[in-house]
Amino acid sequence: NAGVTQTPKFQVLKTGQSMTLQCAQDMNHEYMSWYRQDPGMGLRLIHYSVGAGITDQGEVPNGYNVSRSTTEDFPLRLLSAAPSQTSVYFCASSYQGPNYGYTFGSGTRLTVV
Amino acid sequence: AQSVTQPDIHITVSEGASLELRCNYSYGATPYLFWYVQSPGQGLQLLLKYFSGDTLVQGIKGFEAEFKRSQSSFNLRKPSVHWSDAAEYFCAVTQGGSEKLVFGKGTKLTVNP
Repeated sequence: NAGVTQTPKFQVLKTGQSMTLQCAQDMNHEYMSWYRQDPGMGLRLIHYSVGAGITDQGEVPNGYNVSRSTTEDFPLRLLSAAPSQTSVYFCASSYQGPNYGYTFGSGTRLTVV
Repeated sequence: AQSVTQPDIHITVSEGASLELRCNYSYGATPYLFWYVQSPGQGLQLLLKYFSGDTLVQGIKGFEAEFKRSQSSFNLRKPSVHWSDAAEYFCAVTQGGSEKLVFGKGTKLTVNP
């Protein structure tokens, strides 16, 4: 099993550019989430989804969009990148919900210059 | 709002020594508690989780954690640390039925030979 796959692993953007971080899982998990990790801040929830067609905001949603057209994929879109969005982004999935533990991807390190 | 506090940002222990990482949570209801580990450049891996029942839970890699309701704590322990345990450790909490997993800011563990 591939688990949770995130692409790309590294990305440099210029301020104002847009891009999509990809996340795919092959475990038939209903729950998927996006977190960002910043030094000394732990992980903060950006958006999450409890199933195809259903998404909701987390703690820090501004500047990010998500959609969930299939169970497998949960892309994160940066609409107009800002230096404050420089971070490491993690996608996570769970079959029964975060109460039962998440499987994390290996992350995307994004730098906005 | 639920919150998680990890009082120690960085801990250094010698290989073979015992380890205890502290975690305190703030939550009104019975929490679901987790410990995750992150090796350098990697995603997070679930070490163990507590829902209910026995307050001492066993996890992978020889780790255990004890839930103490009276102290609002969920400390992680290991009797004898190995060099491969060097990583960052995150405590996390959610509530039954909630889709939001809240993380502490992490404790970085260094293991001296």
